Amino acid sequence: EIVLTQSPGTLSLSPGERATLSCRASQSVSSSFLAWYQQKPGQAPRLLIYGASSRATGIPGRFSGSGSGTDFTLTISRLEPEDFAVYYCQQYGNSWWTFGQGTKVEIK
Amino acid sequence: QVTLKESGPVLVKPTETLTLTCSVSGFSLSNARMGVSWIRQPPGKALEWLAHIFSNDEKYYRTSLKSRLSISKDTSKSQVVLTMTNMDPVDTATYHCARGYFDSLGNYYFDYWGQGTLVTVSS
Repeated sequence: EIVLTQSPGTLSLSPGERATLSCRASQSVSSSFLAWYQQKPGQAPRLLIYGASSRATGIPGRFSGSGSGTDFTLTISRLEPEDFAVYYCQQYGNSWWTFGQGTKVEIK
Repeated sequence: QVTLKESGPVLVKPTETLTLTCSVSGFSLSNARMGVSWIRQPPGKALEWLAHIFSNDEKYYRTSLKSRLSISKDTSKSQVVLTMTNMDPVDTATYHCARGYFDSLGNYYFDYWGQGTLVTVSS
């Protein structure tokens, strides 16, 4: 089983600042199977990034994903008020799906 | 328009069996590029994948819960059903179904999610 570890657990930032979220896998993950989701309270997760770096339909350009192997990053270039939420990375491999424990981006 | 909607009991007693239904629209469960997963989220905690069914009826389960889970689909009814036996208060969570999608470039991800249904396990 591949374990995904996200850091930091909480990121306290102000609107307009840059957010950098990390997702580290316990073994190598195919970039094709690495995705990021945003979840707001009381809502279902929303797909942001798939294939490690491709933005999903309708996702603003300030969201970007990068990385390969065991280290992946989600970057929000300039935080908008609606971006304060919890973010999860997720991988698929060997017929097993795993989510990270999440990073909460909160208003400082 | 793709939608998924979960339904099932709001409250179950310890030791009972939970049966949840995911009703989908806007796509066919026989589409080779697609599958459906069940994913749960205990209050205030992270997402936890439970089970997945592919269009060819291949099924996969979370190892730690495999003995308690069963996933099936009825393509004609556009429904995916999850059963979980021997429910315990620690199984209290919001249960989501989500569509897994293989795109033309070979990427795989959950692109559509149901809103989820909160299931409380209590006597």
